[in-house]
Amino acid sequence: KQEVTQIPAALSVPEGENLVLNCSFTDSAIYNLQWFRQDPGKGLTSLLLIQSSQREQTSGRLNASLDKSSGRSTLYIAASQPGDSATYLCAVQGGSEKLVFGKGTKLTVNP
Amino acid sequence: DADVTQTPRNRITKTGKRIMLECSQTKGHDRMYWYRQDPGLGLRLIYYSFDVKDINKGEISDGYSVSRQAQAKFSLSLESAIPNQTALYFCATSARRPETQYFGPGTRLLVL
Repeated sequence: KQEVTQIPAALSVPEGENLVLNCSFTDSAIYNLQWFRQDPGKGLTSLLLIQSSQREQTSGRLNASLDKSSGRSTLYIAASQPGDSATYLCAVQGGSEKLVFGKGTKLTVNP
Repeated sequence: DADVTQTPRNRITKTGKRIMLECSQTKGHDRMYWYRQDPGLGLRLIYYSFDVKDINKGEISDGYSVSRQAQAKFSLSLESAIPNQTALYFCATSARRPETQYFGPGTRLLVL
């Protein structure tokens, strides 16, 4: 059974800092890995999707990497802003095409 | 207008009551999903449907049922609600080729 772990569970940083969120998964037979953002009381918004054959994806200040063999992914946020404050969720999609989610990292960026 | 809508957005009900949560999408996707989110447990898949005639149980389907009335509509029912079904419920959709899922805004359900 696939399990997804995100560390840390919560992170507080000052504005402008670069930061890394971590995600690990137990079964390397994945189709893709996705990072989502969730704002309080709202649904999830897709940030980045990395196919299993890819090593990284970038969108603006966000960069996600994937090391499938070691079961790890990182989400790098450059020059963090208060508007980046949210919970970030990692999810992996396997052969069944279902998504398995981690419990998330709650990020607070302080002005 | 939002691509994935959920009704109601908030609901309070009593133990033993039947309740239906509805999801509609305008993205033209074949695949639809129902999740619940609990503090400390993350999102867990309840049911999913790859097309109108295809319904599958997810990780935690006990106590729930679903209906796919059309490509655009997927409803989740709690036949006899119990307090531990208090949670935030999300509907999501995706296209036929595996790609990202698009989530609705969620329904916050409280069972007293």
